[in-house]
Amino acid sequence: DSGVTQTPKHLITATGQRVTLRCSPRSGDLSVYWYQQSLDQGLQFLIQYYNGEERAKGNILERFSAQQFPDLHSELNLSSLELGDSALYFCASSFTGTPNTEAFFGQGTRLTVV
Amino acid sequence: DAKTTQPNSMESNEEEPVHLPCNHSTISGTDYIHWYRQLPSQGPEYVIHGLTSNVNNRMASLAIAEDRKSSTLILHRATLRDAAVYYCILRDEFQGAQKLVFGQGTRLTINP
Repeated sequence: DSGVTQTPKHLITATGQRVTLRCSPRSGDLSVYWYQQSLDQGLQFLIQYYNGEERAKGNILERFSAQQFPDLHSELNLSSLELGDSALYFCASSFTGTPNTEAFFGQGTRLTVV
Repeated sequence: DAKTTQPNSMESNEEEPVHLPCNHSTISGTDYIHWYRQLPSQGPEYVIHGLTSNVNNRMASLAIAEDRKSSTLILHRATLRDAAVYYCILRDEFQGAQKLVFGQGTRLTINP
């Protein structure tokens, strides 16, 4: 158990809908990362937050948004969903996010868009 | 982002050592070398990281070349549970932001 909790574990929704994925980081970790992993692709970095502020952005679509709340949990919002958004979404946390710290990953949320 | 190059796949036998190579010829002086692995149907798992010196922990050893342009993850005695995709990553720092960007990794198969 990494200490990072993601909910829900599975989500099935229709095209055009909007969903929210939730991540609770390890106790004491200030930095949160979001990743997308499709069947035929590797882990795509989406976005990183540190102590409530956005710190780095990757290949995140405009239809996607995220935030980190004062209690440090984070949410990833996916809207106008398309079939191609079906993927595993992982959240990770680390104490500071600096290069000398390791990140701990949750078990992921499997999103299926039908 | 500084890039890493790893073999797509490797195969080894149970209870034998495994050496997973990674080339990172454009590494900068402040890049840390990180290794993660992803077991089937699970999230990635941290394995080890280092800067210049070789590192050991309970999971593995990391051997870093003197010029830092390559590194090798060493699993001393592979078990079936070590079958996973192994990622070699350089921690990228840009204007205070630190990405953790994964490449394609090496798929390690362990034969019983």
